[in-house]
Amino acid sequence: DAGVIQSPRHEVTEMGQEVTLRCKPISGHNSLFWYRQTMMRGLELLIYFNNNVPIDDSGMPEDRFSAKMPNASFSTLKIQPSEPRDSAVYFCASTMNPLHEQYFGPGTRLTVT
Amino acid sequence: GENVEQHPSTLSVQEGDSAVIKCTYSDSASNYFPWYKQELGKRPQLIIDIRSNVGEKKDQRIAVTLNKTAKHFSLHITETQPEDSAVYFCAASRRTGTASKLTFGTGTRLQVTL
Repeated sequence: DAGVIQSPRHEVTEMGQEVTLRCKPISGHNSLFWYRQTMMRGLELLIYFNNNVPIDDSGMPEDRFSAKMPNASFSTLKIQPSEPRDSAVYFCASTMNPLHEQYFGPGTRLTVT
Repeated sequence: GENVEQHPSTLSVQEGDSAVIKCTYSDSASNYFPWYKQELGKRPQLIIDIRSNVGEKKDQRIAVTLNKTAKHFSLHITETQPEDSAVYFCAASRRTGTASKLTFGTGTRLQVTL
């Protein structure tokens, strides 16, 4: 298996633009997680899905952030409009069972100027 | 919700020495405690985990201990090597229905010097 796949790996955009990050979990995994990592705030859980259903989105910082999982093999995290403080590395992770290893993707480094 | 505190934030040891990282958690119902290692510019990767029915687990040079009464757990790395230099994150989780989420500590930057 190729592991968790994220795209793009790097994104540079201007303030006010819409940004869409994409994730393909490992086949057979039924839980998917979106994290944001910054020096100041560390690794934060934004939202997670179980069987394509959002379970907990309490970590989503603002209404500018939204996430979808239309099927078991694809999820998106959208920021509209983007702001410089959204600059971070965004990780997607998946797991096949609760209380088991989460496998992280390579991350998307987002820079908003 | 769960709160995980991790100490120290930075740790420098000489090659061959031991390193210990400590975490505390707040939710007494948490029952899964993984440790992740993140090398510079890379993704976090699981190095060891422990469940609440076990007090200690060891894998070669790495060991984790859990004290449920005190709600703390620790990572021990013996005979440290330069390749152990990375940021280490502890986390805690409990199952809720068919799903669970990890709450991560703030990370410990370990530097192993020659």
